[in-house]
Amino acid sequence: GESVGLHLPTLSVQEGDNSIINCAYSNSASDYFIWYKQESGKGPQFIIDIRSNMDKRQGQRVTVLLNKTVKHLSLQIAATQPGDSAVYFCAVSTSGTYKYIFGTGTRLKVLA
Amino acid sequence: DTEVTQTPKHLVMGMTNKKSLKCEQHMGHRAMYWYKQKAKKPPELMFVYSYEKLSINESVPSRFSPECPNSSLLNLHLHALQPEDSALYLCASSTAGANVLTFGAGSRLTVL
Repeated sequence: GESVGLHLPTLSVQEGDNSIINCAYSNSASDYFIWYKQESGKGPQFIIDIRSNMDKRQGQRVTVLLNKTVKHLSLQIAATQPGDSAVYFCAVSTSGTYKYIFGTGTRLKVLA
Repeated sequence: DTEVTQTPKHLVMGMTNKKSLKCEQHMGHRAMYWYKQKAKKPPELMFVYSYEKLSINESVPSRFSPECPNSSLLNLHLHALQPEDSALYLCASSTAGANVLTFGAGSRLTVL
């Protein structure tokens, strides 16, 4: 079955530094990947997504990298701000299904 | 309208009660989801409706009964729950296929 893991449960970064959050997945048929941000007491909020026909996708201050060879994706946040403090989840899916498997989550703490 | 609205935000119920959680979206999405999230854990898929038909049931106990009255509404009927069912229940919707899930803010359920 699918399993999705994150390498670090908690990541502390200095304000203004770049953050990198990692995610590993196991199903080679997975072809759609999403990063979500969840603040306390709220539902997950979409950050950025990428499909398997791409290696990299950029948004505003965020970049997602996908390495299909080793089944790994990462979320890079540039110039991390206090408002970025939250739990970040990766979610993995396969076309033709409605199953989105979430990783275990990484708590990002931004230090002033 | 780009929101998924969930009611109630908080619900406290006894083990013999019958209650319902409600979810509504007006984005024209034809897939709707129920997820369960325990504290410090990722969302876990419970049910998926596609075009108002139940397409995925992740072996959820029968004390949880989903209903999709129309393409905009999703209910979760609760009966004879256990204290361990206390969690944040998240509703999400998406267009058909592998696409972004849009989440509601969740309903925080406490079973006494």
